[in-house]
Amino acid sequence: GAGVSQSPSNKVTEKGKDVELRCDPISGHTALYWYRQSLGQGLEFLIYFQGNSAPDKSGLPSDRFSAERTGGSVSTLTIQRTQQEDSAVYLCASSDQQGVAYGYTFGSGTRLTVV
Amino acid sequence: GNSVTQMEGPVTLSEEAFLTINCTYTATGYPSLFWYVQYPGEGLQLLLKATKADDKGSNKGFEATYRKETTSFHLEKGSVQVSDSAVYFCARSQGAQKLVFGQGTRLTINP
Repeated sequence: GAGVSQSPSNKVTEKGKDVELRCDPISGHTALYWYRQSLGQGLEFLIYFQGNSAPDKSGLPSDRFSAERTGGSVSTLTIQRTQQEDSAVYLCASSDQQGVAYGYTFGSGTRLTVV
Repeated sequence: GNSVTQMEGPVTLSEEAFLTINCTYTATGYPSLFWYVQYPGEGLQLLLKATKADDKGSNKGFEATYRKETTSFHLEKGSVQVSDSAVYFCARSQGAQKLVFGQGTRLTINP
């Protein structure tokens, strides 16, 4: 597509429920990233996929968080047993194989509210 | 460690004022440096970048110079407009593919 598409744009869920957030990167981009933007804080790296390599999961805050990327394209971030501290904007970005020096393209994010 | 520290906001200026948003970083080696902007209701957009020492990135009247000696990448604009109101994020590369972001600075320009 023309840009990075994320869905849903907003999600309100009850504490303890599982949620899935979807990211559709720019066609042909081999790298895909998930970041979290909490109120009043910067962007926190969560996970990174590059082609067929094993993902870099070093930023996932707990084992309730997981992500997969199917067919090297669409990615799903899953949060199990959501907690109120999970409330944030979850941002997805993609980049081409030229790497970070050329910048990422971000989606508009999914605003998650856990009540 | 590897981090990015930005000037705390919020910053409020009048139209046509001079803008500086400070950014310093710590890193091993020489990372690429970036400024991203997030306009209200939109996703982050790359504003400008510099990939080596003494490089100057520029876009939309904004400039930032990669200063190795002071490990800084301050964002400047000579005359701001109301449309520049946004949140600005400084970032540095970590390795070939990852970015580390500062906490963001909210800028409001009043007419």
